[in-house]
Amino acid sequence: DSGVTQTPKHLITATGQRVTLRCSPRSGDLSVYWYQQSLDQGLQFLIQYYNGEERAKGNILERFSAQQFPDLHSELNLSSLELGDSALYFCASSVGHNSNQPQHFGDGTRLSIL
Amino acid sequence: AQTVTQSQPEMSVQEAETVTLSCTYDTSESNYYLFWYKQPPSRQMILVIRQEAYKQQNATENRFSVNFQKAAKSFSLKISDSQLGDTAMYFCAFRGEGSGGSNYKLTFGKGTLLTVNP
Repeated sequence: DSGVTQTPKHLITATGQRVTLRCSPRSGDLSVYWYQQSLDQGLQFLIQYYNGEERAKGNILERFSAQQFPDLHSELNLSSLELGDSALYFCASSVGHNSNQPQHFGDGTRLSIL
Repeated sequence: AQTVTQSQPEMSVQEAETVTLSCTYDTSESNYYLFWYKQPPSRQMILVIRQEAYKQQNATENRFSVNFQKAAKSFSLKISDSQLGDTAMYFCAFRGEGSGGSNYKLTFGKGTLLTVNP
């Protein structure tokens, strides 16, 4: 158990809909990262938050947004969903934002778009 | 931009034997961190081992060890005494330490699917 909690584990929805994925980091971790794992793109970094502030953006679509709340949990919002958004979405957390601090991953949310 | 290449999409090994998974990477940074993550069928991403580029000594964690060749930009994972529970997808990952934007994210390879046979 990594200590990172992601909900829900599975999500099935239709094209055009909007969903919210939730992540609670390990106790004491201030950084949260979101990754997308798909068959064609592999594991790709989406966005990072540190202590409530957006710190870095990766290959995140404009239809996607995220935030980190004062209690440090984070939410990833996906809107106007397309079939290609079907993927496994991981949240990871680390103590700070330094490179030497390992990122610990949650179990992921499997998103299926019908 | 950094790239990570895992040239072996699939490998298999007999239980109790030793197997080595390959990883190469490309970067212009002088200091960085390398990781191996394991993703079993349960789909969790589990950190197996990590290596700091400034350390010449290869990292070891129980049955897992790495062969880090900085000049060759190679970072292979050796699993000794393979167990059935080692069956998983293994990902090599890079994280830079520079200011060029590589220091916030992990860059992953495509993965190697390892099957341990009884």
